[in-house]
Amino acid sequence: GAVVSQHPSRVICKSGTSVKIECRSLDFQATTMFWYRQFPKKSLMLMATSNEGSKATYEQGVEKDKFLINHASLTLSTLTVTSAHPEDSSFYICSARDVLAEYEQYFGPGTRLTVT
Amino acid sequence: AQSVTQLGSHVSVSEGALVLLRCNYSSSVPPYLFWYVQYPNQGLQLLLKYTSAATLVKGINGFEAEFKKSETSFHLTKPSAHMSDAAEYFCAVSGAGQGGKLIFGQGTELSVKP
Repeated sequence: GAVVSQHPSRVICKSGTSVKIECRSLDFQATTMFWYRQFPKKSLMLMATSNEGSKATYEQGVEKDKFLINHASLTLSTLTVTSAHPEDSSFYICSARDVLAEYEQYFGPGTRLTVT
Repeated sequence: AQSVTQLGSHVSVSEGALVLLRCNYSSSVPPYLFWYVQYPNQGLQLLLKYTSAATLVKGINGFEAEFKKSETSFHLTKPSAHMSDAAEYFCAVSGAGQGGKLIFGQGTELSVKP
């Protein structure tokens, strides 16, 4: 089955530093990847849509200069949280859409970010 | 525009009892509907999906859902709950021309009592 990995699974960083999260589709090609943020006991909030070879499309209210997204290949998208603040602490989940399966997204296991 | 409403943020059932998790949607285009399950500190796993084929959809782990256009509903059911079903469940909607974007409901936490 389609597998999406995220790295790291858990990261702690200091305020003001930047942290990069990787999302990889392991056994399929993904022209589109999505980045979500999930607060405790809350639903997933779509942050941005990442398309291979083009700029990401951000949802309203998401700072594109704060959350840098790069989709350099058909199997890798990265989310960089720049100048992290404690309020950026959250569970970040990516998903990837198989080029051959229009309707379905495969989700990564998530990355727990804690900013101290 | 699309939206999803899950009625009941928390549902508790006894082991062996019927599970019913409610989902209503709003969509300006023919919807694609999904149910996902999330275990603590993990990503989402697809339970089942409706993409304009059969209105009664069977998924993994004994779950099924019925698409009812007249009621704009896509409720998730399982005849007999198991302890391992305890998790967070999310209903989501997408549609043709939406670029694959999923809109999620608020989630329903399912507890299963022994």
